[in-house]
Amino acid sequence: GAGVSQSPSNKVTEKGKDVELRCDPISGHTALYWYRQSLGQGLEFLIYFQGNSAPDKSGLPSDRFSAERTGGSVSTLTIQRTQQEDSAVYLCASSLQVTDTQYFGPGTRLTVL
Amino acid sequence: AQSVTQLDSHVSVSEGTPVLLRCNYSSSYSPSLFWYVQHPNKGLQLLLKYTSAATLVKGINGFEAEFKKSETSFHLTKPSAHMSDAAEYFCVVSEGRCDSWGKLQFGAGTQVVVTP
Repeated sequence: GAGVSQSPSNKVTEKGKDVELRCDPISGHTALYWYRQSLGQGLEFLIYFQGNSAPDKSGLPSDRFSAERTGGSVSTLTIQRTQQEDSAVYLCASSLQVTDTQYFGPGTRLTVL
Repeated sequence: AQSVTQLDSHVSVSEGTPVLLRCNYSSSYSPSLFWYVQHPNKGLQLLLKYTSAATLVKGINGFEAEFKKSETSFHLTKPSAHMSDAAEYFCVVSEGRCDSWGKLQFGAGTQVVVTP
């Protein structure tokens, strides 16, 4: 079956602009996660959604970052007023439940000039 | 609090020789432990996971790992390396308490190079 998909695969933006990154989880997975992979910080948890519960936002680095999940499926990660330190690969994952194995998408490489 | 330390940032092996990637973890609760692999420009792929069942865990592509609570280790091994094993490997911990579920903590990664 189809895995986790993310779009775009690459995004180049200018400092100060807003960007939206999209994630399509595996069908039927109730949990969805966002991670960031950068040279300086490695792989970091950002946020996760489980069903209709309030998301766990404890990993978001600043209030410029936000995410939503519409209809319990597709998720969008939004970064406002991008900074150069936001340059990274943003990974999305999904799992059947929050206690189950996470399956990762290919990532979106964000470059902020 | 949970944390994970991968003891080697780079490992170089010859094709056909054993591979050992070392990982130590810290967790206040019964953890779940994972090894993921990332090939260049590809997503993370799960190799294997430990979730408090058998301490010796077998994964895909001939990899296995042993959970040793007394040593707080979860080392990854493979008897014979293949060229296709060249990739970055991540040891990952998820602490076994409800406010940590879903928050995977990744090690810094070990880059594996396989030489002919």
